[in-house]
Amino acid sequence: DAKTTQPPSMDCAEGRAANLPCNHSTISGNEYVYWYRQIHSQGPQYIIHGLKNNETNEMASLIITEDRKSSTLILPHATLRDTAVYYCIVRARVDSNYQLIWGAGTKLIIKP
Amino acid sequence: AAGVIQSPRHLIKEKRETATLKCYPIPRHDTVYWYQQGPGQDPQFLISFYEKMQSDKGSIPDRFSAQQFSDYHSELNMSSLELGDSALYFCASSFTSGRANEQFFGPGTRLTVL
Repeated sequence: DAKTTQPPSMDCAEGRAANLPCNHSTISGNEYVYWYRQIHSQGPQYIIHGLKNNETNEMASLIITEDRKSSTLILPHATLRDTAVYYCIVRARVDSNYQLIWGAGTKLIIKP
Repeated sequence: AAGVIQSPRHLIKEKRETATLKCYPIPRHDTVYWYQQGPGQDPQFLISFYEKMQSDKGSIPDRFSAQQFSDYHSELNMSSLELGDSALYFCASSFTSGRANEQFFGPGTRLTVL
């Protein structure tokens, strides 16, 4: 079962910041939050990950709430090529294995 | 930069046949992952290998098996194919000493079972 919930879809104007929320209220203390995106049936692409602190890289920023029950992925200046399904994922222990638990994702549409 | 290579890119099989999917990880990556993504579904983790040994196991059916070879490439073997096995199969690789679990995905193999 997915450990994250995301809105099914969002729109954003080109050039504006896209803020994608994710709830992970059952996350454990040592579980990381990962974000990947998938553009039209291509292989998913890693964006960013974090544990407790906010993170920033060349693609995006990740803001994690202090209680770690939710996070927000920020694409600072969205372009049309950012249109994709964005997955918020928790790497969790399932039985005796670690695996990425994928949810349904948010379909982000960037509009000109 | 070299990426993950998967072959074939497209495969059509009939029910009850077998299929073998191949994955060539990024050079120096030591971990390979297999995912299945059905139409309109999110990716489902199947299995992973670290240094040629199975490391984690997800929702891989008993009809499927996989292994990682000495050159680090991996093969997913699927037997007694069913219509429901029609999906995109992604392979990903990572380097364990790199950023935690940053997986690099291949372009996928689209399997159609008729």
